[in-house]
Amino acid sequence: LAKTTQPISMDSYEGQEVNITCSHNNIATNDYITWYQQFPSQGPRFIIQGYKTKVTNEVASLFIPADRKSSTLSLPRVSLSDTAVYYCLVGASLNSYKLIFGSGTRLLVRP
Amino acid sequence: DAGVIQSPRHEVTEMGQEVTLRCKPISGHNSLFWYRQTMMRGLELLIYFNNNVPIDDSGMPEDRFSAKMPNASFSTLKIQPSEPRDSAVYFCASSPDRAEDTQYFGPGTRLTVL
Repeated sequence: LAKTTQPISMDSYEGQEVNITCSHNNIATNDYITWYQQFPSQGPRFIIQGYKTKVTNEVASLFIPADRKSSTLSLPRVSLSDTAVYYCLVGASLNSYKLIFGSGTRLLVRP
Repeated sequence: DAGVIQSPRHEVTEMGQEVTLRCKPISGHNSLFWYRQTMMRGLELLIYFNNNVPIDDSGMPEDRFSAKMPNASFSTLKIQPSEPRDSAVYFCASSPDRAEDTQYFGPGTRLTVL
């Protein structure tokens, strides 16, 4: 499974757009990119998954360049409640259940 | 749907005691996972069940850990005897059908072994 590298922490203010970039230089052809969010004292929660280009849902957008060696999770207009740890995971979606969580990015949203 | 249910939410026990953690997956989900989260090691997969059958238990730390899934709506993770290094948050997750489906996590059980 491809190793991922993401910033340990980020600070932002309410109303701003936050972009968290994840590096995965050894991503394999079959690998998908998935992001999870974890609030204190809760289990991780699926945010978004993509393979290439751009994916958008009601919560976030995921930008994946053509070489797929990195990806960027974009959170539009963050609020205080978006303060959490964000994990980038890379692995083959088909026939793969092993979610390998790295250390994640701790996002702090300030008023 | 109530989501994945875990009990107890908190458990404090003494070294050497048996600990049993419980999980009720989301109704209709066929896959169940047990994870452990610590500051040092992050979130690790312990065991994966599909249709009540253990598929992969390679993440189970040692023989003191055992997991069962007697039916589709219930699973247990048992530690006997417990040790201080087992202190962690234990999460149960379930997914609808295929192994690669999105996993839905429970609130976790915070275990402290004194």
